[in-house]
Amino acid sequence: QSALTQPASVSGSPGQSITISCTGTSSDIGGYNYVSWYQHHPGKAPKLMIYEVSNRPSGVSNRFSGSKSGNTASLTISGLQAEDEADYYCSSYASSTTLYVFGTGTKVTVL
Amino acid sequence: EVQLLESGGGLVQSGGSLRLSCAASGFTFSTYVMNWVRQAPGKGLEWVSAITGSGGSIFYADSVKGRFTISRDNSKNTLYLQMNSLRAEDTAVYYCAKRSVTRTFDYWGQGTLVTVSS
Repeated sequence: QSALTQPASVSGSPGQSITISCTGTSSDIGGYNYVSWYQHHPGKAPKLMIYEVSNRPSGVSNRFSGSKSGNTASLTISGLQAEDEADYYCSSYASSTTLYVFGTGTKVTVL
Repeated sequence: EVQLLESGGGLVQSGGSLRLSCAASGFTFSTYVMNWVRQAPGKGLEWVSAITGSGGSIFYADSVKGRFTISRDNSKNTLYLQMNSLRAEDTAVYYCAKRSVTRTFDYWGQGTLVTVSS
């Protein structure tokens, strides 16, 4: 099972919106509605931002939203803030053998 | 408050063994699937292994199958990862992660670094 494909980096100015794509296959993203997104500041524990494609856990800002079309999922951050600067990873449930596959990761930079 | 605290990482020679532990608190440990996820230096996250609440079902990534063994002690609220025949490519920060009922990793530990020297 190969890693999901994400852009290596995305940047935006404060207040702008950015979108991170995550492309997989019909065996992972396309086959299940179990796509999650994680925010990771180096040296810290990853933080769940989106689960089941578009749901936000309690306490996560509504500036974060998720969607999916076919084999590609997307994370949109609106009203970009300096604190959003981090690495972001998508993940999908995959199969009964390799249970989960992660994306290659995207570094978000706030200009 | 959910807390996951990994320990047991360190420097080991290629071919050696190491056992990681993850002490859990703040939730009913025995009812949740627990996972190990790793991140090699400069690389992305990689799912390693999962174990159901009772320990009755266990899953591994192909990259560690036959070398790593996941286990849990529900009386001690602790998750383990026994790593044998370690290779340089196993060098990574290892995180334990709790899986929610929605098949997502809702809580993670801070990680423990494993370095395998060749």
